[in-house]
Amino acid sequence: SQQGEEDPQALSIQEGENATMNCSYKTSINNLQWYRQNSGRGLVHLILIRSNEREKHSGRLRVTLDTSKKSSSLLITASRAADTASYFCATVPTDSWGKFQFGAGTQVVVTP
Amino acid sequence: EPEVTQTPSHQVTQMGQEVILRCVPISNHLYFYWYRQILGQKVEFLVSFYNNEISEKSEIFDDQFSVERPDGSNFTLKIRSTKLEDSAMYFCASRLGGGQYNEQFFGPGTRLTVL
Repeated sequence: SQQGEEDPQALSIQEGENATMNCSYKTSINNLQWYRQNSGRGLVHLILIRSNEREKHSGRLRVTLDTSKKSSSLLITASRAADTASYFCATVPTDSWGKFQFGAGTQVVVTP
Repeated sequence: EPEVTQTPSHQVTQMGQEVILRCVPISNHLYFYWYRQILGQKVEFLVSFYNNEISEKSEIFDDQFSVERPDGSNFTLKIRSTKLEDSAMYFCASRLGGGQYNEQFFGPGTRLTVL
């Protein structure tokens, strides 16, 4: 698999439910960042987790990072219809100038 | 809140023509990036730029591509002779610097359509 691979590829849930998506990567990283993209629009930064951090919270978002397994998860609690979007993880390899490597994303659909 | 801006939002061009995509990064940022996203595919890194020179580039960024920071605010991506496969959404991003832990802020993108 390629750097920054998310799973599942698609997720369909009801409003109020939690949405969990995972990201795996291959190389050593400085940090991992999650972005959201509404259809045909730009990338909105959600949260950054550093390589020496294990968990981070921001509002309804919870991100974990396990560097031993080279994986991260993004949890959106109490989802809303407005959370419908594609979610991408982006990794910054340690040997880069901040070059992001994106996965293919998880497409989340939240139905009212 | 400061943001990255890009113009135009949509550019339509004929194959073989030159296009220039423009970006205004956040004013105190030091690192600048271009990415592209072909419809339905993932976002791909093209190039990073720091201290008025390219610091990293991908295999996609061949001789048809060039970047420039012509003044203190704009950051441009030029495609010399566009091909059909250059049709994509192009995103500019900037980062403050000061280590590897800063987030990248993305612009809204320019949709390039090559006919």
